[in-house]
Amino acid sequence: DAGVIQSPRHEVTEMGQEVTLRCKPISGHDYLFWYRQTMMRGLELLIYFNNNVPIDDSGMPEDRFSAKMPNASFSTLKIQPSEPRDSAVYFCASSLDPAPLHFGNGTRLTVT
Amino acid sequence: GNSVTQMEGPVTLSEEAFLTINCTYTATGYPSLFWYVQYPGEGLQLLLKATKADDKGSNKGFEATYRKETTSFHLEKGSVQVSDSAVYFCALRGSGAGSYQLTFGKGTKLSVIP
Repeated sequence: DAGVIQSPRHEVTEMGQEVTLRCKPISGHDYLFWYRQTMMRGLELLIYFNNNVPIDDSGMPEDRFSAKMPNASFSTLKIQPSEPRDSAVYFCASSLDPAPLHFGNGTRLTVT
Repeated sequence: GNSVTQMEGPVTLSEEAFLTINCTYTATGYPSLFWYVQYPGEGLQLLLKATKADDKGSNKGFEATYRKETTSFHLEKGSVQVSDSAVYFCALRGSGAGSYQLTFGKGTKLSVIP
């Protein structure tokens, strides 16, 4: 079991640039979650998928954020254009309901 | 909606001291409760869980009991080690239809000094 794999581990970009974060869930898991972690707000759920279909995206901050899951083994979270306030650690997690979530090691995003 | 409140840190303890991290929740129905741990530079890992009232979750010397009457799920360990230094998150998953996502507390940072 390779665990949830996220890339890149670190991303530094300038304001206005497009950022794409990637996630490979654990094979066989049917739920995938994107969380954002900041000191101020803690862990926030952005969006989650079930069987590749977005179920709840109410946590996505604004239209600059979008997420896709084209197949069971890959998901992306895109920010376009990026802003300094998007700086955070972004976590992907997967699960096979009703089992608990398995988290990746996160992508630390810094927007200057 | 669902919410989780846990004690604010940071918490600093000496090795072999007793640990309690308080967690209370608000939810309808019968949620499942979890403690996750996050070591520096890593994602969250499940530490223990309890799925119904009076259940006790335990792992690696940590314990927490699901108390419905007090809506609490406090984390305890009798003798902490330096390797327990991490951030601890209390979380719940609701029992209603579509309640697959976790609601997390803000985390409590624990530092254990030799």
